[in-house]
Amino acid sequence: DTGVSQDPRHKITKRGQNVTFRCDPISEHNRLYWYRQTLGQGPEFLTYFQNEAQLEKSRLLSDRFSAERPKGSFSTLEIQRTEQGDSAMYLCASSFLEGDGYTFGSGTRLTVV
Amino acid sequence: KQEVTQIPAALSVPEGENLVLNCSFTDSAIYNLQWFRQDPGKGLTSLLLIQSSQREQTSGRLNASLDKSSGRSTLYIAASQPGDSATYLCAVRPGNNRLAFGKGNQVVVIP
Repeated sequence: DTGVSQDPRHKITKRGQNVTFRCDPISEHNRLYWYRQTLGQGPEFLTYFQNEAQLEKSRLLSDRFSAERPKGSFSTLEIQRTEQGDSAMYLCASSFLEGDGYTFGSGTRLTVV
Repeated sequence: KQEVTQIPAALSVPEGENLVLNCSFTDSAIYNLQWFRQDPGKGLTSLLLIQSSQREQTSGRLNASLDKSSGRSTLYIAASQPGDSATYLCAVRPGNNRLAFGKGNQVVVIP
């Protein structure tokens, strides 16, 4: 297992279109997180899954955003009716035990034109 | 709300000098603190994880200290190399599962 995988690496979309990103965590990690990072800023928390249960959501996750982790393995993050303000790097991370550090993926860079 | 500040925001050093990067946080009730490295346009690579009960962690040329009571952590990079050029991010984990990040220290090591 080589780490957290995210797909696609880059996505350019027109405003108003829907986009979906995928994250494959490290296989034994039951905890999965989504973060968003804009230029010059640190990543900001979006949502957290433990197994298939979505346990925490940030207020940043508006009703246009939805995340799933249907079988407690991979996760998807969908953005509906994209806006230019959604342009950012979307980062996925996973961890195993409560006190473990987080392992991040390479991210998906979204550009909304 | 946990606020994380990293100083300096950017610095340039000649190759061979030691790097000292500072991170401060407002709420000392943290679970752990993690330092990451980020190259331009890339994801985050974990460097060091310090649990709240620990004072420091070391890995090769890297050493990170944690003073929870004063809300500070310092990342030392010994004998810097051009390959150390990157942005270094400090993240604290409060009691929940939401890491709070600083904006990073952007480092350039000049050959």
